[in-house]
Amino acid sequence: KAGVTQTPRYLIKTRGQQVTLSCSPISGHRSVSWYQQTPGQGLQFLFEYFSETQRNKGNFPGRFSGRQFSNSRSEMNVSTLELGDSALYLCASSLKVSPGLTLQETQYFGPGTRLLVL
Amino acid sequence: SQQGEEDPQALSIQEGENATMNCSYKTSINNLQWYRQNSGRGLVHLILIRSNEREKHSGRLRVTLDTSKKSSSLLITASRAADTASYFCATGMDSSYKLIFGSGTRLLVRP
Repeated sequence: KAGVTQTPRYLIKTRGQQVTLSCSPISGHRSVSWYQQTPGQGLQFLFEYFSETQRNKGNFPGRFSGRQFSNSRSEMNVSTLELGDSALYLCASSLKVSPGLTLQETQYFGPGTRLLVL
Repeated sequence: SQQGEEDPQALSIQEGENATMNCSYKTSINNLQWYRQNSGRGLVHLILIRSNEREKHSGRLRVTLDTSKKSSSLLITASRAADTASYFCATGMDSSYKLIFGSGTRLLVRP
């Protein structure tokens, strides 16, 4: 099975612009989560999607948004970019068979998209 | 904010030695997972231990979990240069897939 893929791998933007990052989960995986990694704050949870619905959201401003498509692929968008948005954005997918399942499964991470905001 | 704090922040050992990393967390959890990250790349899942388990093994990895002390440890035996990476613990607290990551331990294995 192919792993989680993220595009693009690298991105340079300027302040005020917006950006869209894409994540394709492992085939059959229905849950997609996004994380931001910075040297100062470490790895922080952004949001999680299951069956095209956002099920959980981290403590990030409304400039950060996402969505999931019917094929489980997900995108995240950051509007009005700030210098502090420079980070590695990681996507993870999980095999989640029902929303209420309490048994947490392994999350498989993609290689990340490195965003630099100038 | 991060739930987990890892100790030590950095560890340098000789190839063949054992490496032990510790993780402490603050709230009740459903499970704790350990991940490895090489040079700012994606995270590789190593092992998951559930809150009702105390110890788990996977190859050269041994993980322990003490929920009364809210702590976990990862032991890598007979380390290799290829084990050089950052190691993170992550806690899952409910039926969502939100993980709270620790600050990480940077491991250097010298050949």
